[in-house]
Amino acid sequence: EPEVTQTPSHQVTQMGQEVILRCVPISNHLYFYWYRQILGQKVEFLVSFYNNEISEKSEIFDDQFSVERPDGSNFTLKIRSTKLEDSAMYFCASRQGAGTGELFFGEGSRLTVL
Amino acid sequence: SQQGEEDPQALSIQEGENATMNCSYKTSINNLQWYRQNSGRGLVHLILIRSNEREKHSGRLRVTLDTSKKSSSLLITASRAADTASYFCATDSDYKLSFGAGTTVTVRA
Repeated sequence: EPEVTQTPSHQVTQMGQEVILRCVPISNHLYFYWYRQILGQKVEFLVSFYNNEISEKSEIFDDQFSVERPDGSNFTLKIRSTKLEDSAMYFCASRQGAGTGELFFGEGSRLTVL
Repeated sequence: SQQGEEDPQALSIQEGENATMNCSYKTSINNLQWYRQNSGRGLVHLILIRSNEREKHSGRLRVTLDTSKKSSSLLITASRAADTASYFCATDSDYKLSFGAGTTVTVRA
């Protein structure tokens, strides 16, 4: 069964360092998303991406964050200068259409900022 | 905010009992979805109900939607220990799903 894959599963970084989280969405999906979940808290929307551009982004997704689809398969989230409060689980998700179907989630990348 | 909010925050039941959790939201939606998350894992889609539907079943799951009250409920019948997880409702707009804080369900054997 097709699945969304994310790497790394866990990354530890020093405050101020750049981090890139990688995702391979399901191949025939057109809409891509990043969410984050601080331990024990709600799943927060960061950004949605379609047709090589951002469709919508939340207030959390400030200038420190960027997304890219550098080739036909990868979808990346970059955090330019990490802060302690960026420590969270980051989930990538994809789906075929907008507003109509389920999201398929990866298993997440746990980011720990020291 | 259009995101759903689940109630209760936590639920503990005996195996074989039913588990009911509720979700309220604030704005109009295309559809409402329920997801499950095992501890430390990704979210898994359970069921989707469209804004023009009132009730939907899938196996041991029953979902209702009342758009006039902007609320939904998820019922898990005949619960099993393996149903222990967090359950989230998500409201669907064109560009994103917005998740609530979730209900943590513990099923005691």
